[in-house]
Amino acid sequence: GENVEQHPSTLSVQEGDSAVIKCTYSDSASNYFPWYKQELGKRPQLIIDIRSNVGEKKDQRIAVTLNKTAKHFSLHITETQPEDSAVYFCAATGTGTASKLTFGTGTRLQVTL
Amino acid sequence: GAVVSQHPSWVICKSGTSVKIECRSLDFQATTMFWYRQFPKQSLMLMATSNEGSKATYEQGVEKDKFLINHASLTLSTLTVTSAHPEDSSFYICSGGRAGGQDTQYFGPGTRLTVL
Repeated sequence: GENVEQHPSTLSVQEGDSAVIKCTYSDSASNYFPWYKQELGKRPQLIIDIRSNVGEKKDQRIAVTLNKTAKHFSLHITETQPEDSAVYFCAATGTGTASKLTFGTGTRLQVTL
Repeated sequence: GAVVSQHPSWVICKSGTSVKIECRSLDFQATTMFWYRQFPKQSLMLMATSNEGSKATYEQGVEKDKFLINHASLTLSTLTVTSAHPEDSSFYICSGGRAGGQDTQYFGPGTRLTVL
């Protein structure tokens, strides 16, 4: 089955700096890679996703890159703000809504003033 | 959008009792729903895949007789924790994807179960 590793487990940055979270996956058949943000006691919220037919996707301050050959993908947050503080999870899956997500272990991001 | 609700949002029960958690897709039909368990400061661990009209598929190590899943319609899946024990205390979250849609999973708000 799929195995997703995520680093770092905790990340502290100053407001305005950039944050980068990296994930690797094991199953070369995986082709959909979402990123979720989870605040304490709340549901994971999809913030960005990427499919294997593209190498990069950007949405305002958030971007994701994918290297299929190396089987790793990364989340980039620029101009971080205190409200970006949360736990971020990467995930990998195959196509279709019946395909189960395998989550990374999570990164606790703290944005300090 | 795609909204998933869960009920109850939290429940406290005595050891040995059973607890039912409902997961509903409010504005879309979900042929498949997923149930996750999340312990404090840990990641989401998939427990089972719930298929409308058929038996659920359980992940390795998850007892199907303890965690009963029923997916009676395209908008409702239920998880029943039978004979709950303190070690079952956790945050249970469901997710679903649109039937015929792509890969995006939409998560419910979660149910915090505390077993005394």
